[in-house]
Amino acid sequence: QKEVEQNSGPLSVPEGAIASLNCTYSDRVSQSFFWYRQYSGKSPELIMSIYSNGDKEDGRFTAQLNKASQYVSLLIRDSQPSDSATYLCAARTGPGREYGNKLVFGAGTILRVKS
Amino acid sequence: DGGITQSPKYLFRKEGQNVTLSCEQNLNHDAMYWYRQDPGQGLRLIYYSQIVNDFQKGDIAEGYSVSREKKESFPLTVTSAQKNPTAFYLCASSISHKTGANVLTFGAGSRLTVL
Repeated sequence: QKEVEQNSGPLSVPEGAIASLNCTYSDRVSQSFFWYRQYSGKSPELIMSIYSNGDKEDGRFTAQLNKASQYVSLLIRDSQPSDSATYLCAARTGPGREYGNKLVFGAGTILRVKS
Repeated sequence: DGGITQSPKYLFRKEGQNVTLSCEQNLNHDAMYWYRQDPGQGLRLIYYSQIVNDFQKGDIAEGYSVSREKKESFPLTVTSAQKNPTAFYLCASSISHKTGANVLTFGAGSRLTVL
């Protein structure tokens, strides 16, 4: 079982809609979670981090964390064509693991926003 | 401007040759990382370094070597022992490997193609 799983997509949404990206993780002691956006041929850039259960909002982005269900999501409101990219979910494994604070990435979900 | 510089951006290698990818950061970060990304896959950790003159193997270290002689520099050598070296290589850094947030900043990446 992969440690961090994402639906590869592509997820297609019309411009102005809400895009919902989902991620599950297997390590119950994971403490921190991150969403990175990666445009084709470019490096990942951090867009959200979340550490506590519940929602965290930053502009058009909302990250949601449910540790009991081992589930992280990213909502993008008022989606724009410029949001079209691959979104990578990452989880930091807990202390005591071999690498300590190892960051494990999912394979990413391709988002396409159609104008 | 602070950041991470990777070079070269594109590199072609013949089978049997070793190549070295450069990574330099001026963020005064203690920790540095090398990831590999293949199409449709997430980032996989090759090596990481928490401090000068120390580095640890990641998930896929075989066929790779690194050094950390200076805080600013973390070069990666792809040796001829690496069976499938064609990939997108990403260097990253963080303030510390052990901070709770462990936010990574990425370089622009180096794309290696074996002919």
